[in-house]
Amino acid sequence: DIQMTQSPSTLSASVGDRVTITCRASQSISTWLGWYQQKPGKAPKLLIYKASSLDSGVPSRFSGSRSGTEFTLTITSLQPDDFATYYCQQYITSPYTFGQGTKLEIK
Amino acid sequence: QVQLVQSGAEVKKPGASVEVSCKASGHTVTSYAIHWVRQAPGQRLEWIGCFNAGTTNTKYSQKFQDRVIISRDTSTSILYMQLSSLRSEDTAVYYCANTYCDGDYCSVFDLWGQGTMVTVSS
Repeated sequence: DIQMTQSPSTLSASVGDRVTITCRASQSISTWLGWYQQKPGKAPKLLIYKASSLDSGVPSRFSGSRSGTEFTLTITSLQPDDFATYYCQQYITSPYTFGQGTKLEIK
Repeated sequence: QVQLVQSGAEVKKPGASVEVSCKASGHTVTSYAIHWVRQAPGQRLEWIGCFNAGTTNTKYSQKFQDRVIISRDTSTSILYMQLSSLRSEDTAVYYCANTYCDGDYCSVFDLWGQGTMVTVSS
C-alpha cells in the first residue's frame, strides 16, 4: 500500500497568515493527489485535485504544488472559515490512502 | 447535480452485521464509481471499497475483503455497504463518495455523502 505522511499534525496560525501543509507519498503517484478540508461533524470537501487543480468554487487563496513525491497545500491570507482539518489522498491505485490529517487551529 | 444521501445511524452488538445505504442521484453518465470510506474517532480516513457503475465491478481493500460486501440496487440507484463480524474497532462514521472513472481508473472523490455513524457496543 502507498503510505501518505502529512506534516505538521497540528498548525496554529492567525487570520491573515500564509500557511503550508506538506504531504509525502511513499512511492511515485505522479499528480494523482487530492486535498480535502473537513470540519467537525461534517464530510470531507474536495479542495484540490491532480495536485494543483482547484475544484469548482474553491477560493483562489488555496493552491497546491508537487515536487517529486512531496506535495504542498498552501493557504494565503487565512480566513476564519479555513480553520479545519486537511487531508491529502492518493488516488493512483487502490487501496486509496489518506494522510493522517493536519489540524489548522486559531493561534 | 449529483447528490449522495446516506441512511441513518446504527447501533450494533459485536459479531453482528450492519448495512449502510447511499442513494445516488443526478448522474448523467454511467462512468462513475461510489466508494466507501470510514473514519474512526480521531483517526484518518480509511478506504473500504467501491462499486464501479460503468464496469459493474467491485473492488475491496484487503483489510476488509473477508467481511464486506458492496452492492447496488439498479432500480433505485441505492448503493449498499454491508460489514459483518463487527467489533468495537469498527465504530466509525461511514461515508460514501463519488468519483468519475475511465474504465477501472477513477478520479478524485469529488462529492461525499453526509456520513453514517455506526456504533458497535455490547
